[in-house]
Amino acid sequence: EVQLGESGGGLVQTGGSLRLSCAVSGFTFRSYDMNWVRQAPGKGLQWVSYISSSGNTIYYADSVKGRFTISRDNAKNSLYLQMNSLRVEDTAVYYCARIYYSGNDRPFDYWGQGTLVTVSP
Amino acid sequence: EIVMTQSPATLSVSPGERATLSCRASQSVSSNLAWYQHKPGQAPRLLMFGASTRATGIPARFSGSGSGTDFTLTISSLQSEDFAVYYCQQYNNWPFLFGQGTKLEIK
Repeated sequence: EVQLGESGGGLVQTGGSLRLSCAVSGFTFRSYDMNWVRQAPGKGLQWVSYISSSGNTIYYADSVKGRFTISRDNAKNSLYLQMNSLRVEDTAVYYCARIYYSGNDRPFDYWGQGTLVTVSP
Repeated sequence: EIVMTQSPATLSVSPGERATLSCRASQSVSSNLAWYQHKPGQAPRLLMFGASTRATGIPARFSGSGSGTDFTLTISSLQSEDFAVYYCQQYNNWPFLFGQGTKLEIK
């Protein structure tokens, strides 16, 4: 069974840092590209960052570029998001999500339950 | 970047009736579009990809159509468990942005 589980969320002050982790099981992690997606309170889903299976290709949303760093450890079946210089507007539930490749299709087929990050003023 | 716009923001439908949700892309995304269902406190769930292919385990009452810039998700006969927020997402070009969501509520 495919499972993704986020951890590391919590309460932090503006300007602080947090490191989120996503532990996965039930599939060959090193073969899959991964993402972080967030949902702010009362808002919709917002894509945050992408990392290829090898870690060689990385993308960020403009809103987090220069502050967040995505990484992975394929030996530990884990995905990470280092979040620095946090802002109130980064308050959200953060989800890790796997990309499913089938031909030209690349939907996010499995998601974790999310971890809440709260940034106080 | 490709902006995704969903309509309506909220849709009120009675159980057993049909629901039609729309998604429009600011430029063509071919058929590289997915739909997700999201309930409070749960992980988002992939419903459709390739605009019209149901994901594993998704009931046949869910169907998707469209290509290019205009897409539709139809739920043929609403069940109680279908009331949720639905998002479209394009994966034709990075960033793979989501629409703002349509909340499907019980009428």
